[in-house]
Amino acid sequence: GAGVSQTPSNKVTEKGKYVELRCDPISGHTALYWYRQSLGQGPEFLIYFQGTGAADDSGLPNDRFFAVRPEGSVSTLKIQRTERGDSAVYLCASSWGQVGGGYTFGSGTRLTVV
Amino acid sequence: GENVEQHPSTLSVQEGDSAVIKCTYSDSASNYFPWYKQELGKGPQLIIDIRSNVGEKKDQRIAVTLNKTAKHFSLHITETQPEDSAVYFCAATPIQGAQKLVFGQGTRLTINP
Repeated sequence: GAGVSQTPSNKVTEKGKYVELRCDPISGHTALYWYRQSLGQGPEFLIYFQGTGAADDSGLPNDRFFAVRPEGSVSTLKIQRTERGDSAVYLCASSWGQVGGGYTFGSGTRLTVV
Repeated sequence: GENVEQHPSTLSVQEGDSAVIKCTYSDSASNYFPWYKQELGKGPQLIIDIRSNVGEKKDQRIAVTLNKTAKHFSLHITETQPEDSAVYFCAATPIQGAQKLVFGQGTRLTINP
């Protein structure tokens, strides 16, 4: 596609529920990133995929968070047993994978845990 | 780990004037410094970037300067226009070869007509 697509754009869930957030990167981009942005803050790194493998997952806050990219294109961020503190905008980005290269962000999924 | 500090948090300028946003970073091994513009309800958009082997880069009304010795870099916007109003983020790549970015806290820029 022309840009990075994230669905849903908004998600409201109850505390303790499981959620999945989807990211469709720009076609051909080998690198995919997930970031989390809390209100009034800059994006915080969660995980980076090069192809199908998670090359760096050092930003995942705990084992309730998991992400996959089984075919090297679409990625899903999965959050188990959601907590109110998980409420944020989850941003996905993709790039050609060059080191130190700028990447293209999607518009994000706003997750609200009530 | 890398820490990026950004100032000011808010900035208001008259249309046509210049705006400057400053960032400092902690990791001397950082080698890539992009700037992103984020409008309401949208993801950050890359507007300009600079690598550690360059001291200054310019693209029309925007420019970025880098001082590696002092570990700070700045965004300069000249002849500001109302459409420049947005939140701007600086970022740095924490270590050589790393793919992730560490972002500053953001600057809300308002251009007054």
